[in-house]
Amino acid sequence: EDQVTQSPEALRLQEGESSSLNCSYTVSGLRGLFWYRQDPGKGPEFLFTLYSAGEEKEKERLKATLTKKESFLHITAPKPEDSATYLCAVQANIVDSNYQLIWGAGTKLIIKP
Amino acid sequence: NAGVTQTPKFRILKIGQSMTLQCTQDMNHNYMYWYRQDPGMGLKLIYYSVGAGITDKGEVPNGYNVSRSTTEDFPLRLELAAPSQTSVYFCASSFTFGTGGDSPLHFGNGTRLTVT
Repeated sequence: EDQVTQSPEALRLQEGESSSLNCSYTVSGLRGLFWYRQDPGKGPEFLFTLYSAGEEKEKERLKATLTKKESFLHITAPKPEDSATYLCAVQANIVDSNYQLIWGAGTKLIIKP
Repeated sequence: NAGVTQTPKFRILKIGQSMTLQCTQDMNHNYMYWYRQDPGMGLKLIYYSVGAGITDKGEVPNGYNVSRSTTEDFPLRLELAAPSQTSVYFCASSFTFGTGGDSPLHFGNGTRLTVT
């Protein structure tokens, strides 16, 4: 069964304290892995797409990496405005699934000033 | 640019009541989706549409109905509301189908529904 597991469920960091969020997945052929950011009371907002193992994407203090079993979202020297829930989703390369996304439950990141 | 607009933002229903959640987008996207988000769980796809007049079931369609008469609008209908439908509902749209890559999903800000 295709599934996505994110860890930890919540992470509290001091401003400037770097860390990583994990997204583990099992899927029958990966078409793509996606990271979204969700602020309280808002809809998810797209961050990155990763297609193959070894690929990396960066945006400001965030860097996403991908292996054959998991993805990491590294946050370097975070600021309070980076506080949000980060969602991971995968897309299986199966036509019958209509390429629909399988979502993780998210990691709630809190950055204290 | 408005993007994806959902109304209402909040709603409380009694068991057995019905309602329609509204969703409209102004990006001329052909693909639209309805998701529900429950605490501790990933987003679950309820229904999706690949264009005006075409809809299909997602992972959790029971208790819901949709229609797509125009490219812009994709309302979600709840018939005979049940406590299990208490959730946050998100509408989304995309340029291409089901992907997040070159055509990410654009989400509205959600409708928080409570059924008591």
